[in-house]
Amino acid sequence: AQTVTQSQPEMSVQEAETVTLSCTYDTSESNYYLFWYKQPPSRQMILVIRQEAYKQQNATENRFSVNFQKAAKSFSLKISDSQLGDTAMYFCAFMKHAYRNRDDKIIFGKGTRLHILP
Amino acid sequence: DVKVTQSSRYLVKRTGEKVFLECVQDMDHENMFWYRQDPGLGLRLIYFSYDVKMKEKGDIPEGYSVSREKKERFSLILESASTNQTSMYLCASIDPGTSVDGELFFGEGSRLTVL
Repeated sequence: AQTVTQSQPEMSVQEAETVTLSCTYDTSESNYYLFWYKQPPSRQMILVIRQEAYKQQNATENRFSVNFQKAAKSFSLKISDSQLGDTAMYFCAFMKHAYRNRDDKIIFGKGTRLHILP
Repeated sequence: DVKVTQSSRYLVKRTGEKVFLECVQDMDHENMFWYRQDPGLGLRLIYFSYDVKMKEKGDIPEGYSVSREKKERFSLILESASTNQTSMYLCASIDPGTSVDGELFFGEGSRLTVL
């Protein structure tokens, strides 16, 4: 069974700093997808960034980038030039292949609460 | 943009009451999910549905049931609410035909307090 572990329950950084959120996972699959979702306070969860395991290049979305280490089963999220609006709960998630089967599941970590301080 | 709407943002119920949480999505997604979110436990899957009138148990279905009479609507039912069901409930949807990369679309959540 796949598992996703986020070892940092809560973090705080000053505005404009760079912060890295950690995520490790366990799977025997060779191809899979990894995600970071963001849940701002009292607002809906949204997808921040995704990574396909067969792609060696790390995904980047503006100030958000990942460090994907397949052999180490590590998938960290880096937020550069952090902003107050980045304050949120962040969830790492795993999906074992392209979503095509009715019973496919997306497995979430327990989350990291990130505070960006002014 | 996909919109997933949960009918109630905040509810307060008494122990033993029947509770309905409604979720509607407007993008014709086939699959819909109900998650429960608790501090330190992350998101746990309660039930999901891949078609009208079809449902599958997730990881923590005990004490819950669901209904999907129309494709766009997925309801979570607590037949007899208990205090340990006090939680945030998240609805999500996905379309296997177009979302092969697995992006889930979430509602804003329903925070339920059972007294």
